Amino acid sequence: AQSVTQLGSHVSVSEGALFLLRCNYSSSVPPYLFWYVQYPNQGLQLLLKYTSAATLVKGINGFEAEFKKSETSFHLTKPSAHMSDAAEYFCAVTHTGGFKTIFGAGTRLFVKA
Amino acid sequence: DTGVSQDPRHKITKRGQNVTFRCDPISEHNRLYWYRQTLGQGPEFLTYFQNEAQLEKSRLLSDRFSAERPKGSFSTLEIQRTEQGDSAMYLCASTTGETNTGELFFGEGSRLTVL
Repeated sequence: AQSVTQLGSHVSVSEGALFLLRCNYSSSVPPYLFWYVQYPNQGLQLLLKYTSAATLVKGINGFEAEFKKSETSFHLTKPSAHMSDAAEYFCAVTHTGGFKTIFGAGTRLFVKA
Repeated sequence: DTGVSQDPRHKITKRGQNVTFRCDPISEHNRLYWYRQTLGQGPEFLTYFQNEAQLEKSRLLSDRFSAERPKGSFSTLEIQRTEQGDSAMYLCASTTGETNTGELFFGEGSRLTVL
């Protein structure tokens, strides 16, 4: 069975600074990995996904994530935080044999002016 | 193009009452998912449909919960004899394609409060 662990339920960063949100997965078969963002009172929106092509994935608004099989990780980064990045971020995994997407517990990002 | 819509957005009910939520997916999407999200947690998988067929159910979906997608379009999630522990946000998502590499498109959710 697959699972997702997000280290750090809250992360605080200064505006303009780089930030990294951690995600580790567990899957017995090759995974597909996703990062979603949720703004208050809104549904989740896809930021980026890894589906076994390039291990460095670029998403919308300058977000990137790197798939590292040896570390079973898929950490999300952005070089420069904006106030508008304040939201909750969810890492998710789907394994290649099924259609069920499993989400991590989420990391809430705070951006300080 | 309208996105995934859910109704009602908020529901307050008394313990023991039945509630029903409706989800209208994006029209060409053949897969539809229900998730439950509680405060401070990520979405927990409940069930999904491929067209009208319910293909997987989580053990979180007790016998008080039932979901249907009768014509392969909209779906309903019914909770019978609600309990306070059912208070949560119920999220619906839809997607399409023959593979599972596509993104899920989420509605804004239906928030249930059981008093």
